[in-house]
Amino acid sequence: DAGVIQSPRHEVTEMGQEVTLRCKPISGHDYLFWYRQTMMRGLELLIYFNNNVPIDDSGMPEDRFSAKMPNASFSTLKIQPSEPRDSAVYFCASSPGHNIMNTEAFFGQGTRLTVV
Amino acid sequence: GEDVEQSLFLSVREGDSSVINCTYTDSSSTYLYWYKQEPGAGLQLLTYIFSNMDMKQDQRLTVLLNKKDKHLSLRIADTQTGDSAIYFCAGGTPSKAAGNKLTFGGGTRVLVKP
Repeated sequence: DAGVIQSPRHEVTEMGQEVTLRCKPISGHDYLFWYRQTMMRGLELLIYFNNNVPIDDSGMPEDRFSAKMPNASFSTLKIQPSEPRDSAVYFCASSPGHNIMNTEAFFGQGTRLTVV
Repeated sequence: GEDVEQSLFLSVREGDSSVINCTYTDSSSTYLYWYKQEPGAGLQLLTYIFSNMDMKQDQRLTVLLNKKDKHLSLRIADTQTGDSAIYFCAGGTPSKAAGNKLTFGGGTRVLVKP
């Protein structure tokens, strides 16, 4: 498997524009996580899914942020409208299950978002 | 919720041992993890320890857990330049309902000098 695939790797956009980040989890993994990494706040969990169903979105900062998982192989994180303070590296991760033998979270390489 | 804290930076000479420390607040975390992030990459799991263990050794890595003090450490023996990275500790309690929702510390940047 190629691992967790995120696109784009880098995104530069103007304030007010809509941004869509994409993630393809590892095939067969039941859980998908979206994280945001900044210097100020470190690594924050935004939302995660179990079998395509959102379980906990309490980390989503504002209504401008939304995430979907229409099927087991694809998820999106959308910011509309984007603001400069949304600039960060956004990571997607997936894990097989919830037993200790299969809870390792595999991370994608991240999308570096810059909002100017 | 869980709060996990780490020191920001560690500088070490190649060949020496590195010790990265972490403190956490939620004693109910069942598992504690160490992840490594290399520049421009995502996080990669290094090792984990179950909360009822005191120590776990895996090649050059030794994890020590002091449950009383809620203190976790990662020792890297014979540190190499390739060990330069950011190291994150994290706590979690896997469950069928919640999967393995992890709370990460802020990360410790380790710089290995030749």
